[in-house]
Amino acid sequence: DAGVTQSPTHLIKTRGQQVTLRCSPKSGHDTVSWYQQALGQGPQFIFQYYEEEERQRGNFPDRFSGHQFPNYSSELNVNALLLGDSALYLCASSSDAQETEAFFGQGTRLTVV
Amino acid sequence: AQKVTQAQTEISVVEKEDVTLDCVYETRDTTYYLFWYKQPPSGELVFLIRRNSFDEQNEISGRYSWNFQKSTSSFNFTITASQVVDSAVYFCALTLIKAAGNKLTFGGGTRVLVKP
Repeated sequence: DAGVTQSPTHLIKTRGQQVTLRCSPKSGHDTVSWYQQALGQGPQFIFQYYEEEERQRGNFPDRFSGHQFPNYSSELNVNALLLGDSALYLCASSSDAQETEAFFGQGTRLTVV
Repeated sequence: AQKVTQAQTEISVVEKEDVTLDCVYETRDTTYYLFWYKQPPSGELVFLIRRNSFDEQNEISGRYSWNFQKSTSSFNFTITASQVVDSAVYFCALTLIKAAGNKLTFGGGTRVLVKP
């Protein structure tokens, strides 16, 4: 049983560009959450998707947007990249009905230069 | 709003020593879950334990044990007889039970370095 998978693992972008990160949830999970983890800090909640809609959102600007597909996979899009967007982006999946703990992927390391 | 504080940023021990990680949380809600996650250098957050706010029983799992005290809003984690493989960053986190979804609020993490 595959766990949470994220792609790509590493990415280098230039300031002002746009980026798309992808996440496939663990089998049986229908909820996907995205977190940003700056170096040396704890993960910060960006938003959560359930039934293809954004259900919760953290304190992040509109440059951060997302999408969930019918197969529960998800994308995180960041526009107009800033140097401060450099971080590890973590995807977590869970089952809403079963109230399970969140399982995390290995993350995408984004570097903005 | 919820807040989780891990006052210890880094702990260094010699193998076989015990190490205790502190976690203090703040929430006005009475129903919540508390978690501990381990983050090895690979980056993935590995789930260790979940406790709900109604269950203050301490728990032991192998070399790991957890002490939950609502009176002091603390959920501390002890690794007994530490091993080099325990070297990682450990995060304490909280989520509300009744809210839609399960947004996690994390502490800043404690880096544990176990030396041989």
